[in-house]
Amino acid sequence: GAGVSQSPSNKVTEKGKDVELRCDPISGHTALYWYRQSLGQGLEFLIYFQGNSAPDKSGLPSDRFSAERTGGSVSTLTIQRTQQEDSAVYLCASSLADFISTQYFGPGTRLTVL
Amino acid sequence: KNQVEQSPQSLIILEGKNCTLQCNYTVSPFSNLRWYKQDTGRGPVSLTIMTFSENTKSNGRYTATLDADTKQSSLHITASQLSDSASYICVVSARTSYDKVIFGPGTSLSVIP
Repeated sequence: GAGVSQSPSNKVTEKGKDVELRCDPISGHTALYWYRQSLGQGLEFLIYFQGNSAPDKSGLPSDRFSAERTGGSVSTLTIQRTQQEDSAVYLCASSLADFISTQYFGPGTRLTVL
Repeated sequence: KNQVEQSPQSLIILEGKNCTLQCNYTVSPFSNLRWYKQDTGRGPVSLTIMTFSENTKSNGRYTATLDADTKQSSLHITASQLSDSASYICVVSARTSYDKVIFGPGTSLSVIP
């Protein structure tokens, strides 16, 4: 079956531009996570959606970052006024439920801010 | 503070040999611990997941152990293969109103012929 998909796979943008990253979770998965992985760094939690509950935004590094999840499925991570330090791989994951369920990761979007 | 540490940071072994990766955590209240394998340029793939009551879990040549008392976990790889070269990430979840995940920094494993 189809796994988690993300688009675009690569994005190069100029400093100050806005970017949108898309995540299509596995059908039926109620939980969706966004992570960031900078070069040589570990995974950094950004935001978590669970069903219709208010998302946990505690990992967002600044107010330039926001995310939406429409209809409990597709999610979009938006970065406004991009900075060079935003360059990283942005990974999306989804899981069937909460707590014990395994998170399945997408291939990521590599963002480069020039 | 919820933290996950892993050792060694990197490891090089010969093909066919065994190795053990370590994970120590200070996450509370503990929910579960997972090991992921991440190939270069790919998203992480789940290897094992263990709850408080489980102290060992196997997935093929991968065997994870958990000591919830000492808050330590290990991932043992037997008869290593070149395809085992990857980063291995320990992830611990804290039981709050949801499942908050804390990632370790990973161990980079290189298997050489």
